[in-house]
Amino acid sequence: ETGVTQTPRHLVMGMTNKKSLKCEQHLGHNAMYWYKQSAKKPLELMFVYNFKEQTENNSVPSRFSPECPNSSHLFLHLHTLQPEDSALYLCASSFGGGQPDEQYFGPGTRLTVT
Amino acid sequence: AQSVTQLDSQVPVFEEAPVELRCNYSSSVSVYLFWYVQYPNQGLQLLLKYLSGSTLVKGINGFEAEFNKSQTSFHLRKPSVHISDTAEYFCAVSDGDRDDKIIFGKGTRLHILP
Repeated sequence: ETGVTQTPRHLVMGMTNKKSLKCEQHLGHNAMYWYKQSAKKPLELMFVYNFKEQTENNSVPSRFSPECPNSSHLFLHLHTLQPEDSALYLCASSFGGGQPDEQYFGPGTRLTVT
Repeated sequence: AQSVTQLDSQVPVFEEAPVELRCNYSSSVSVYLFWYVQYPNQGLQLLLKYLSGSTLVKGINGFEAEFNKSQTSFHLRKPSVHISDTAEYFCAVSDGDRDDKIIFGKGTRLHILP
């Protein structure tokens, strides 16, 4: 499989559940990103990892917990979410070193919190 | 820090008519610029990018953009749109302080009228 993949594509969870979103990139990139995209709101950068180190946490609530075990995998662990956390969660990757470069996006996970 | 402005949240245009989607960014010594497209229920896909060189950049699907340093603009154009161009379009600019982060605009929804 090529590019950036995300699983699951759709997720419905209750506010007391614990779930995880997975992102995998097959592009040999070193930087990976989580974005939140809500209806009628701008794309929100949540976390950035570069060479497995977290370089950005954009004031994200602690109920979202990222994990980057290696440069190819990125997880977003979810617990005790709120209904306003329902959104499309996008993962992206980029080369990450030297100069700014384009980001490659996965298809997203559509999350619904009930 | 960099910022990017897409003044038009929605642009309606008739099929086969030309279209221009506007993007302005805040001034910086060096800047890298991108246009992304997002089709319904999908992630973002790169249309084109400006890193250096010719100010007229050609991308996929017949789109092009022109980098204008004096006006700090990077408008996207297509001479004749098709119904399949219905999507949301995001302008993005590199963060001048970091090489692993780009700043996205709020997006412009292109609505093709039959």
